[in-house]
Amino acid sequence: QQQVKQSPQSLIVQKGGISIINCAYENTAFDYFPWYQQFPGKGPALLIAIRPDVSEKKEGRFTISFNKSAKQFSLHIMDSQPGDSATYFCAASNEGYSTLTFGKGTMLLVSP
Amino acid sequence: DSGVTQTPKHLITATGQRVTLRCSPRSGDLSVYWYQQSLDQGLQFLIQYYNGEERAKGNILERFSAQQFPDLHSELNLSSLELGDSALYFCASSVAGQSGGYTFGSGTRLTVV
Repeated sequence: QQQVKQSPQSLIVQKGGISIINCAYENTAFDYFPWYQQFPGKGPALLIAIRPDVSEKKEGRFTISFNKSAKQFSLHIMDSQPGDSATYFCAASNEGYSTLTFGKGTMLLVSP
Repeated sequence: DSGVTQTPKHLITATGQRVTLRCSPRSGDLSVYWYQQSLDQGLQFLIQYYNGEERAKGNILERFSAQQFPDLHSELNLSSLELGDSALYFCASSVAGQSGGYTFGSGTRLTVV
């Protein structure tokens, strides 16, 4: 089965620190790698995404780093804020098939 | 509001029963996806419909079925419910053929007692 492995399961970061969440995938046909953010009681919402033709993508305080040879990608949250406290999911897909395979999620708590 | 509407928000039912979860996709989106979210399994893909036709199937039990109607809303039917079916069920929609455009609803929390 196609899998996306995400770590850590949970993470506590101090306000202003850097949060780092890692994911690894197996299927080399995957060509789209999004990150989703989920607050309690809400559905996941697209945060940032990357395709394998670039090694890094930055949007504000959020950066995806992508290592195609290692089949790994990570989310970095710079200057983490209490409002960033949420569950983060990495995902991957082969856009030709359009269904996303999700990691198991990381619960991030940013302490004030 | 994401534009994807799921009803009901909460559902409590007994083992052995059957329930129907409903999803109205975002305006203009032709694809609907159903996911099950549990604490230990994360987000598991169940099934995808595109413009009324089944497009892809994931880890969906035989006791579960879905359909997408001409107005593009979708229903997920869960029957012979077991305690282990208790979970959050999410619907997402996207523009045809683009996994990058997933928009999730707020989910239906199903509790089987």
